[in-house]
Amino acid sequence: DQQVKQNSPSLSVQEGRISILNCDYTNSMFDYFLWYKKYPAEGPTFLISISSIKDKNEDGRFTVFLNKSAKHLSLHIVPSQPGDSAVYFCAASGGGAQKLVFGQGTRLTINP
Amino acid sequence: ETGVTQSPTHLIKTRGQQVTLRCSSQSGHNTVSWYQQALGQGPQFIFQYYREEENGRGNFPPRFSGLQFPNYSSELNVNALELDDSALYLCASSLASGFTDTQYFGPGTRLTVL
Repeated sequence: DQQVKQNSPSLSVQEGRISILNCDYTNSMFDYFLWYKKYPAEGPTFLISISSIKDKNEDGRFTVFLNKSAKHLSLHIVPSQPGDSAVYFCAASGGGAQKLVFGQGTRLTINP
Repeated sequence: ETGVTQSPTHLIKTRGQQVTLRCSSQSGHNTVSWYQQALGQGPQFIFQYYREEENGRGNFPPRFSGLQFPNYSSELNVNALELDDSALYLCASSLASGFTDTQYFGPGTRLTVL
């Protein structure tokens, strides 16, 4: 039962343009959502998070949007830079279950 | 401030054996979480320890067990290894229990079960 899904295994974006990564979830009890970035041979690095009481959170070039009715969140990166090339994971927690559920990841490639 | 470290980097075991993976959290972090990441998948939560007590567990059988020590180190033990246990094992430390506090991940231990 994949409660958190990232349906795009890969995404290619030109440098300077906007990258949009999407994530869907099925458990309506999730109340906290996170995005992580992972480079090869390194552990995931926290990027940005959002609580279910908000619908948007910004941190520099990174913005996360949450649509609770659609059970959908997205990560926007503007402008995209070559160093953003990595695998991005969304994750969700909450609903009384003390665990964190990750999506399968999306590999983002920024082309010069 | 040192980051999260894990040992060993790589490990090869045979089916039925037991394995112990180690993690050293950031100093002052009372919480450690362990994850299993199969190839091409996202990390799957195994369990979390807070101040040496298990604080949450994912859908993993009891042969996956853990320990957390007062010196900010921790262990993941897996008994009766199966081929499907081959994966990257990640630990992450944080100040508070739960998942709203930033987790800092180690680079992982790659386990291969033959």
